[in-house]
Amino acid sequence: EVQLVESGGGLVQPGGSLRVSCAASGFTFRNYWMHWVRQAPGKGLVWVSRISSDGSRTLYADSVKGRFTISRDNAKDTLYLQMNSLRAEDTAVYYCARETAARFDLWGQGTLVTVSS
Amino acid sequence: QSALTQPASVSGSPGQSITFSCTGTSSDIGTYNYVSWYQQRPGKAPKLMIYDVSNRPSGVSNRFSGSKSGNTASLTISGLQAEDEADYYCTSYTSTTSYVFGTGTRVTVL
Repeated sequence: EVQLVESGGGLVQPGGSLRVSCAASGFTFRNYWMHWVRQAPGKGLVWVSRISSDGSRTLYADSVKGRFTISRDNAKDTLYLQMNSLRAEDTAVYYCARETAARFDLWGQGTLVTVSS
Repeated sequence: QSALTQPASVSGSPGQSITFSCTGTSSDIGTYNYVSWYQQRPGKAPKLMIYDVSNRPSGVSNRFSGSKSGNTASLTISGLQAEDEADYYCTSYTSTTSYVFGTGTRVTVL
């Protein structure tokens, strides 16, 4: 089955760190650019970051630049988002999404990150 | 990059057609034909409904159609059905090589 499965979410204190993962299966992961998109409770979707198929190129939204790092392990078919210096406003469901020709054609079910003391 | 502007809510009766907009700028929708639309039901992941302004992925009903004029894209749902009730988000590629989502539109079937 073609799918993305996120994991690693949870409760973290402000200023803390967390790494979320996205395991891909059913398709050739190394051929696709991948993205992270987040959604705060009751709010809309917000694009966070993207990484090229070989991992050499990355891009971040201004709101997370310098704090978040996107990476991938093509040998393990896994995408990562390392989140440092977390703030209350980073509280959200984090989705990974596969990009095919400028569209997000496959999404994971999301993992909830809560930043609170 | 500011979010694309969508109406907060749109409603219609079963069988009716509704159209709602997604307004951006010359740095996104106005320049690129990489506009896509996503349906999100409560507690679920988004689902691709329209890509490249007006193309439907296989499996998506032909009741969904998209268009673009200038800096504004639009999504039309024809023959509205109860199952269409959901949140809808547009997105566009941007001149900074990133993506920007719309603010979202809640569709209610009366």
